[in-house]
Amino acid sequence: GDSVTQMEGPVTLSEEAFLTINCTYTATGYPSLFWYVQYPGEGLQLLLKATKADDKGSNKGFEATYRKETTSFHLEKGSVQVSDSAVYFCALVDSGYALNFGKGTSLLVTP
Amino acid sequence: NAGVTQTPKFRVLKTGQSMTLLCAQDMNHEYMYWYRQDPGMGLRLIHYSVGEGTTAKGEVPDGYNVSRLKKQNFLLGLESAAPSQTSVYFCASRSSGAGDGSNQPQHFGDGTRLSIL
Repeated sequence: GDSVTQMEGPVTLSEEAFLTINCTYTATGYPSLFWYVQYPGEGLQLLLKATKADDKGSNKGFEATYRKETTSFHLEKGSVQVSDSAVYFCALVDSGYALNFGKGTSLLVTP
Repeated sequence: NAGVTQTPKFRVLKTGQSMTLLCAQDMNHEYMYWYRQDPGMGLRLIHYSVGEGTTAKGEVPDGYNVSRLKKQNFLLGLESAAPSQTSVYFCASRSSGAGDGSNQPQHFGDGTRLSIL
């Protein structure tokens, strides 16, 4: 079945460092891909999405490009802030119209 | 903007007790979902609904039942709680959108933290 694999955390970075969180997927066809973010004590919020190959999703300085050649959707940000500390989830839509999530990557940004 | 509202936010149960978690959305969304979140496991789908009066099983449905009697509400029931059901439960909803709607984002509630002793 369809699945998502993302890099395990925790990831600790200094403020203004460059961030990459790797995400690869296995799927039949070309599902829509998402990144969600979860701040402590809260539910998940959509960060960005891409619906077809070569699409780039972007929001709040974060970017991810849908790469069908490498079946990847890596999340990047050029300069992280302390407020970006959260858990990040990569996800795809499976055939049952639900989201299939990766296990999440915890990010801690220190001043 | 209420969005997706889950009640209660916290609950402690004893093994064998029953309870119902309520999810309400005010966005007129067709699709609703229940997930559980456990450390190191990400989110796993319990049950979902594609419209009023319909429900379907997800990845981990055993021990849970659901009902969607009204479009805006999606109830998750535990008939006989077990310690393995200790988790954080999230409800989500999304619109049907164009086509199969698979590019529509899901909107999440803030979760219910449930402990079974």
